[in-house]
Amino acid sequence: RKEVEQDPGPFNVPEGATVAFNCTYSNSASQSFFWYRQDCRKEPKLLMSVYSSGNEDGRFTAQLNRASQYISLLIRDSKLSDSATYLCVFSLRNDMRFGAGTRLTVKP
Amino acid sequence: DVKVTQSSRYLVKRTGEKVFLECVQDMDHENMFWYRQDPGLGLRLIYFSYDVKMKEKGDIPEGYSVSREKKERFSLILESASTNQTSMYLCASSSTVANYGYTFGSGTRLTVV
Repeated sequence: RKEVEQDPGPFNVPEGATVAFNCTYSNSASQSFFWYRQDCRKEPKLLMSVYSSGNEDGRFTAQLNRASQYISLLIRDSKLSDSATYLCVFSLRNDMRFGAGTRLTVKP
Repeated sequence: DVKVTQSSRYLVKRTGEKVFLECVQDMDHENMFWYRQDPGLGLRLIYFSYDVKMKEKGDIPEGYSVSREKKERFSLILESASTNQTSMYLCASSSTVANYGYTFGSGTRLTVV
């Protein structure tokens, strides 16, 4: 079983849609969780951390389910500029493991 | 603005050449990492370092070595480049004290011909 598994997509959604990504992880000792965004031919950039109680940043909501070992990212009111690949990440101390990414395309 | 700087954006090297990829960070981070990213495989960890002169193998260290002589600089070395090392190489750094995730460099796209 892979350490981190994500649906690779692609997800093609119209502007204004709500879209959700899930990501499962295999190591129950994982301590920290993140979502990164990567634009084409660019480096990954931190989108948001994921906290146990769930957290929101504008149109983005992240949740963690430790019992089922998954994290999720919900994007509301999708914008064209949200088109990117979204990477889920978990860490054990200082070592971070990345999913292969879920590709999102938001269309007019 | 904090930065991780990779010395080259694009490189083309010949098979058998020794290749140096340089990474410098200005955030006084303890931890530095080298990944390669290939389509469908995501980011794979090559080597990492938690301190000066310290190095640890990641998941795919074969064919690579690293050097960390100064805290701010972490170099990746391809001892004898091969075509299967054609990839995007990403350097990252992070703080041990504050776990705010990684900051990545802009990447080096290496082509070995």
